[in-house]
Amino acid sequence: QSALTQPASVSGSPGQSITISCTGTSSDVGDYNYVSWYQQHPGKAPKLLIYGVTTRTSGISNRFSGSKSGNTASLTISGLQAEDEADYYCSSYTSSSTYVFGTGTKVTVL
Amino acid sequence: QLQLQESGPGLVKPSETLSLTCTVSGGSISSTSYYWGWIRQPPGKGLEWIGSIYYTGSTYHNPSLKSRVTISVDTSKNQFSLKLNSVTAADTAVYYCARHRRYSGGFFDWFDPWGQGTLVTVSS
Repeated sequence: QSALTQPASVSGSPGQSITISCTGTSSDVGDYNYVSWYQQHPGKAPKLLIYGVTTRTSGISNRFSGSKSGNTASLTISGLQAEDEADYYCSSYTSSSTYVFGTGTKVTVL
Repeated sequence: QLQLQESGPGLVKPSETLSLTCTVSGGSISSTSYYWGWIRQPPGKGLEWIGSIYYTGSTYHNPSLKSRVTISVDTSKNQFSLKLNSVTAADTAVYYCARHRRYSGGFFDWFDPWGQGTLVTVSS
């Protein structure tokens, strides 16, 4: 199975909004609303931010929001803060009853 | 508070078998609606799902690794384990265990919480 496609890097200034895309196929992202997003700081385990395309996990700031259109899911971070600098991964259920992660995006706060 | 902790050798020789155990505390591994999964991350690279297991022993695997992977569960110890055979340098990675949400209907969703991860290096 192929990893979902994410941009390698995205950057923004404090206070700005950025959007990370996650492109799959009609066999994963496009066909199921089981898309999740994870944040990973260096040397740490990934942390669940969003699941079910749009639902924020308990304790996650409402600056993080998720959406989906067709085969592409997106994570938007609004009011960018220094602490948001991290790697972000999307994931999806697939029609083969498996699970696939995205290639990962490094977010830099300028 | 549910916690997971990986354990096992940090160094494995090429062609040998990598063996890791994940101990679940603060909750039962026999919980319905949850599978228990393994994920790995090679140094400087992205996440890769290895496979997930239910407390009954039902498993799902990444097709690219399926022929080399065995995932098992020991409900009496609240643990699940990973064995990856015929390892090469490409299997060098941080290995994570995590709880994996599965819905009736068979759909997998999120991983949460995660263990802290353990680095396994394949080298002679």
